[in-house]
Amino acid sequence: GQSLEQPSEVTAVEGAIVQINCTYQTSGFYGLSWYQQHDGGAPTFLSYNALDGLEETGRFSSFLSRSDSYGYLLLQELQMKDSASYFCAVITHNYGQNFVFGPGTRLSVLP
Amino acid sequence: DVKVTQSSRYLVKRTGEKVFLECVQDMDHENMFWYRQDPGLGLRLIYFSYDVKMKEKGDIPEGYSVSREKKERFSLILESASTNQTSMYLCASSPDTLAGGFEQFFGPGTRLTVL
Repeated sequence: GQSLEQPSEVTAVEGAIVQINCTYQTSGFYGLSWYQQHDGGAPTFLSYNALDGLEETGRFSSFLSRSDSYGYLLLQELQMKDSASYFCAVITHNYGQNFVFGPGTRLSVLP
Repeated sequence: DVKVTQSSRYLVKRTGEKVFLECVQDMDHENMFWYRQDPGLGLRLIYFSYDVKMKEKGDIPEGYSVSREKKERFSLILESASTNQTSMYLCASSPDTLAGGFEQFFGPGTRLTVL
């Protein structure tokens, strides 16, 4: 089968740094993506890693280790508006692009 | 501005009814997807399509079918709705991988309740 694991909940305070981990076990691997979803809203794309290493986009960074089947999303200088659910997603193959999503991590940012 | 629209935000149907959920994208994307989202289970792929008239089963296709007669439109059909199909349904699209197709664009979702 195919599975992705993430912590179900994470809590942090404004201005802090938080890391959301994702481990995956899939039949194929093309890349790892991260999405943010606010309550009542649609998921929106944050980042994508196809190669090992760290990708930085403003306050958000994403890391991938293909050998460990592991990645994480790093959120710095947390703001209240970062309170949302975060999903990792594996693209399992190039053709047809089968995306497999993790169960999601609910991040609560406290004042 | 990229856009994926879904025909309804909220829908209430009765057990046994045939249900159509419509999704339209205006980005000329090759790939389109239907997911259902349930608490604690994340997004689960029902069906996807990488070209007109092409479809592939996702992880949970049972009880669903799809139709893609035009590139911009992808329909999800519940032939005979059941209460366990009460869920949030999300449509998404993405360009071909060679065109940078690792980002999915989601519609606002349809919350379906089957009574």
